[in-house]
Parts: sequence; C-alpha cells; structure tokens
Amino acid sequence: SYELTQALSVSVALGQTARITCGGNNIGSKNVHWYQQKPGQAPVLVIYSDYNRPSGIPERFSGSNSGNTATLTISRAQAGDEADYYCQVWDSYTHVIFGGGTKLTVL
Amino acid sequence: QVQLQESGPGLVKPSQTLSLTCTVSGGSISSGDYYWSWIRQPPGKGLEWIGYIYYTGSTYYNPSLKSRLTISVDTSKNQFSLKLSSVTAADTAVYYCVRAPTLVATYIDYWGQGTLVTVSS
Repeated sequence: SYELTQALSVSVALGQTARITCGGNNIGSKNVHWYQQKPGQAPVLVIYSDYNRPSGIPERFSGSNSGNTATLTISRAQAGDEADYYCQVWDSYTHVIFGGGTKLTVL
Repeated sequence: QVQLQESGPGLVKPSQTLSLTCTVSGGSISSGDYYWSWIRQPPGKGLEWIGYIYYTGSTYYNPSLKSRLTISVDTSKNQFSLKLSSVTAADTAVYYCVRAPTLVATYIDYWGQGTLVTVSS
C-alpha cells in the first residue's frame, strides 16, 4: 500500500520560514492535503489539493507538490503555528492515507 | 456552519464491541455532496482512517479493520454510527467523526471534537 513519510520534527526561528515535507512515490501525481493539529484539539485543514487554502487560513500557509515530495511552507512563523502537521492523500486501496505527522517547534 | 458531535461510552472492555454515534447539525447527511467518516488517533500517535459511508448506505472501510467494522447511517436522525467488534487495547484512541467532500481525491473539511475511548477491563 502507498506510504507517506514525514520528518518527526522541524524547528524554525520566530518570523522565519518553515518547510514541512511529505514524501511518497510519485506523490506529485496525487492531490496532497495538509492538516494542523494543536494539543488537545481536532485537526484543521490548512491546505487542500496541493496548494489551495480554505477560507480563514492565513496566506502565510502555502503548499507545493512535485516529484516525490510535497511541501507545506509556513512563512513568518508565529508561536501560534506550533503544532503537529499531517499530510494526506487518497489511495485506491486504503482510500485515505495520512503521513506520520511532523511536530513544528517555533524557537 | 456544519458541526459534528461524537457520543458513546468512553470505556469498553476487551473483546467487546465499541459503539459510537456522530450527530450532524447545520447540514443534512442526505445532501449527497459528502462522505461521512471516522478517523482515530491513539494517544501520542498519528491519524488513522477507519472508514466512511455515503447517505445511501454505501460504505468504504480501511482494509486493516474491515473484518471488525460496521458503519451505518440514519438519515432520519442525521446521524451515522461506528461499531468495532472484538476490541483490544490497541483500539484505545480518540475517535473523530468527520466530513469529506465527494471528490476523487477527497480531504476532510470538518471534524468533530473527538471522543476518547479506552479499552480496558
């Protein structure tokens, strides 16, 4: 079955740019979605279909997808961006697949 | 604004059946534009998709859980439900009910708050 690989953790200095990656075989051919989950809360969709932002998500959040890597980019990182981030794709066998999640720390 | 709310026992004994219900408000399950789904998250771990149902009753299950899983829908009550049989400690998790648009490569646009279910004697 299809697998998504994420780094366990990423750190970014306050105000700098964080990049969180999601690896998968030819992931560039799939639609990738990203969720933010803060402690004790349900996940929130921050990017859908590679680069689209839902209403209410700041423009600081952007996404890209090519080759074997999809990337969630958070510009001008804020303390409030500290969270776990999960990528997700659709697979014909398992249907909904999540990456293992990346913990973002803002220093 | 759609809201989803999980309900059910927070403690289930091993080998028994875990049962949860999700009540949807602010929108109709019968709209036909969405899949209604369950996702779980063991404590301190990542997200796992369980399965989803369409308002017609068509279901799609995670192959790893399929033999123990039943998802059903009650359009008259605007609810859908999860039953997971023969549970073990590995089924301890926060269970979320969620909504996903009926797209080819869909995503989750609304989540319930989640409910913790512990499997223990």
